[in-house]
Amino acid sequence: NAGVTQTPKFQVLKTGQSMTLQCAQDMNHNSMYWYRQDPGMGLRLIYYSASEGTTDKGEVPNGYNVSRLNKREFSLRLESAAPSQTSVYFCASRRQAQPQHFGDGTRLSIL
Amino acid sequence: GESVGLHLPTLSVQEGDNSIINCAYSNSASDYFIWYKQESGKGPQFIIDIRSNMDKRQGQRVTVLLNKTVKHLSLQIAATQPGDSAVYFCAENWAGANSKLTFGKGITLSVRP
Repeated sequence: NAGVTQTPKFQVLKTGQSMTLQCAQDMNHNSMYWYRQDPGMGLRLIYYSASEGTTDKGEVPNGYNVSRLNKREFSLRLESAAPSQTSVYFCASRRQAQPQHFGDGTRLSIL
Repeated sequence: GESVGLHLPTLSVQEGDNSIINCAYSNSASDYFIWYKQESGKGPQFIIDIRSNMDKRQGQRVTVLLNKTVKHLSLQIAATQPGDSAVYFCAENWAGANSKLTFGKGITLSVRP
């Protein structure tokens, strides 16, 4: 049972480049989330999808877009990467009123 | 290495002692609380949870206490081991907040051998 799988694990981009971070879960969870984690800031919610077919903004959505492709997959896209988006990105999934399960993160550096 | 522990409060304990990690939560309407552990280079890992109709819950070597009067949550780790060294986060579920959790900034637990 893989849980939450994120790809890639590491990525270096140049300012202005675009990329998509992939996330898949095999636990049949309805809700999925994207967070970024920066030193001293804790986890900040970028976007979430409470159920298949819906997405909503979180605390820090600017510069990002998401797609809930199906129940399993939730991707995060950076259309024009900026150095301020250098961070560790975590995907999580959850069943209602249960703990979130996290992937091991994507470490993204933007030069 | 992973930098998530930088700038966070640190709790240093002797191996074998009990650890108490505290968290103040923000919303009196929160109905569900979770403690997570995050090791370097990994994602947060679920430790234990508690619902607002309880004030104490025990797991294996861990106990969570909830004081709704002062909006305080604590995690107690018995007989702390080197493998317990990590960053610990509390999270609260705002009732009616459409499945969202709000996370604290985290505390680094350092276990001295």
